[in-house]
This record gives sequence, C-alpha cells and structure tokens, in this order.
Amino acid sequence: GQNIDQPTEMTATEGAIVQINCTYQTSGFNGLFWYQQHAGEAPTFLSYNVLDGLEEKGRFSSFLSRSKGYSYLLLKELQMKDSASYLCAVRSSLRGATNKLIFGTGTLLAVQP
Amino acid sequence: DAMVIQNPRYQVTQFGKPVTLSCSQTLNHNVMYWYQQKSSQAPKLLFHYYDKDFNNEADTPDNFQSRRPNTSFCFLDIRSPGLGDAAMYLCATRDPADTQYFGPGTRLTVL
Repeated sequence: GQNIDQPTEMTATEGAIVQINCTYQTSGFNGLFWYQQHAGEAPTFLSYNVLDGLEEKGRFSSFLSRSKGYSYLLLKELQMKDSASYLCAVRSSLRGATNKLIFGTGTLLAVQP
Repeated sequence: DAMVIQNPRYQVTQFGKPVTLSCSQTLNHNVMYWYQQKSSQAPKLLFHYYDKDFNNEADTPDNFQSRRPNTSFCFLDIRSPGLGDAAMYLCATRDPADTQYFGPGTRLTVL
C-alpha cells in the first residue's frame, strides 16, 4: 500500500526557520517531490530528491533518508508570502506506475509577523 | 508565459448536466495528467496519458472520461456531475526529468 504522512498545520514567525516533515510507506520508491500550493492555486514545484541527503535551493532545502522513509522541507528566512500548503509527493517505482505521483494531504503553514 | 493552461478557471454546472474541462500545454510534453483535489485534501490522480496511451486509475469512476486529440490538448469530460464531484480539477504535464508542471486549475461547482 501507499501512505504518506505530514503534519496538518504549522505556524512560524516571519524571519524564522521551519522544518516540515514527511514520512512515507510505499510499495516502490523512485523519488520524492515537494510542492507549494497557495489557496485556490495550482501546486508549484519546489524540490526533488532521489538520493539520500540534502538538496539546497535558495531559502528552501529538502532532505531525504530512504532507509527511514523520511523527508523534510526546510524553509529559511520565512516571509509572509511563504504562507501556503506544502505537499510531499512520492513517485512510485511499481511496474506500470512509474509516471505517477502519490501526494500527501499537505501541511498548511501560517507565517505570522 | 503560461505553459499549462486550463479553461475555464471557474465552471458552474447543474446536477447531471455534462461538462467538459480543457487543458492545453505549450511544453510539448508527452505525459499529461488529470487530478481531482477537494478542499484540504491531496490531489487525487484520475488518469494520465503517455502520448495517446490512456491510463485510467482503478478507482476513477466511469462518470469521468478523457480525450487527448493531440499533444497540446487534453479534455476531462464529466458525463453526469454529482454534488460530490465539486472540486478543483488540475491538469499537469511531465518533463523528461520527471517533474510535473501544473496548470492553474478549474474550480467546478455543481448546483
């Protein structure tokens, strides 16, 4: 089966750092994606990890541990515009399913002044 | 420049009245997807195309159909919308590096 867990909501302060965790149990694993989704808008791609370790892209970093089925998204120097839902998505390596992403329900981040 | 375009952005239909949502892309990607996303839920994959090869998810109701007449365009047809079909419908494409790009979505209201 496929299962992806993220916290439902988080709150952080402008200028601070926040870490959003994601754990997954999937029948096959072929990469993990993070997307940002503002209310009423489409998800936008943030990062991709397929090997263990940290990928850094400006204020955003994403970490993956395949042995633990664990990833996190780290947001630094938080800005008010970072208030959004952050979706963790796993790409399955199952035969016939390599084109599919399985999404978590998202973590709604509220950045406060 | 918009790369994945969805029209309309907001669609209202009546219970049982067929409705078609459209998606177009300027990226020339082989793979296109349709997702359904209800409020505070994860996007749920309905089906995807690899070129003209159609792949239906096992739990996608027969009420949902899709057409892809060419690389650029893909349509979602809801034959008899029910109140439970009210949702945001997201179209996405996939690049050779396996990253998916989403359109702005169409929010469907069923009266």
